[in-house]
Amino acid sequence: EADIYQTPRYLVIGTGKKITLECSQTMGHDKMYWYQQDPGMELHLIHYSYGVNSTEKGDLSSESTVSRIRTEHFPLTLESARPSHTSQYLCASSAAPWRSPQETQYFGPGTRLLVL
Amino acid sequence: GEDVEQSLFLSVREGDSSVINCTYTDSSSTYLYWYKQEPGAGLQLLTYIFSNMDMKQDQRLTVLLNKKDKHLSLRIADTQTGDSAIYFCAERGNTPLVFGKGTRLSVIA
Repeated sequence: EADIYQTPRYLVIGTGKKITLECSQTMGHDKMYWYQQDPGMELHLIHYSYGVNSTEKGDLSSESTVSRIRTEHFPLTLESARPSHTSQYLCASSAAPWRSPQETQYFGPGTRLLVL
Repeated sequence: GEDVEQSLFLSVREGDSSVINCTYTDSSSTYLYWYKQEPGAGLQLLTYIFSNMDMKQDQRLTVLLNKKDKHLSLRIADTQTGDSAIYFCAERGNTPLVFGKGTRLSVIA
């Protein structure tokens, strides 16, 4: 059973507000990921990290930013929320070494964001 | 580039077998995964298969891999209403994991 947590689970916020979505894992995994999941179910990788002080942009361009100061923590920040940011955001982590062919990812429960 | 394709919907009667299909393009994929997503939740790892295997069975789940055709399937035996969910196929590509768009399985009682 994976221990990966996301807060808040639900967030309704007005346009222009700054928000931070939290993700924490207690498994000591080096790799962490943020996905955006649209209503049509498809997952889009928006950010990932291979360890402390490492962050990379994913396949989908995003106006969000991330930081990785501690192994267990990978917060995602939107400086100015817009209605187009309304979506579900999923955090995941993996113990696989860099470039390992096995890449089992464990997912948090997600944050559902609504921007009015 | 890497791509994973799945049909979007599948409907089965309770007690029947479900077969969810997936095709992928990256012939160098070494691990292929099946994840399950229930409403309002994150993705849960169901099973994975290494590319040198043709089949893997885990209780009611059977994964079949045809490397020649780059085709992966997930069979759920004796499908129950609790199996209703979205099922994602994923391959290990150049990016960490490449996911399909998901197949929504509806189980009719």
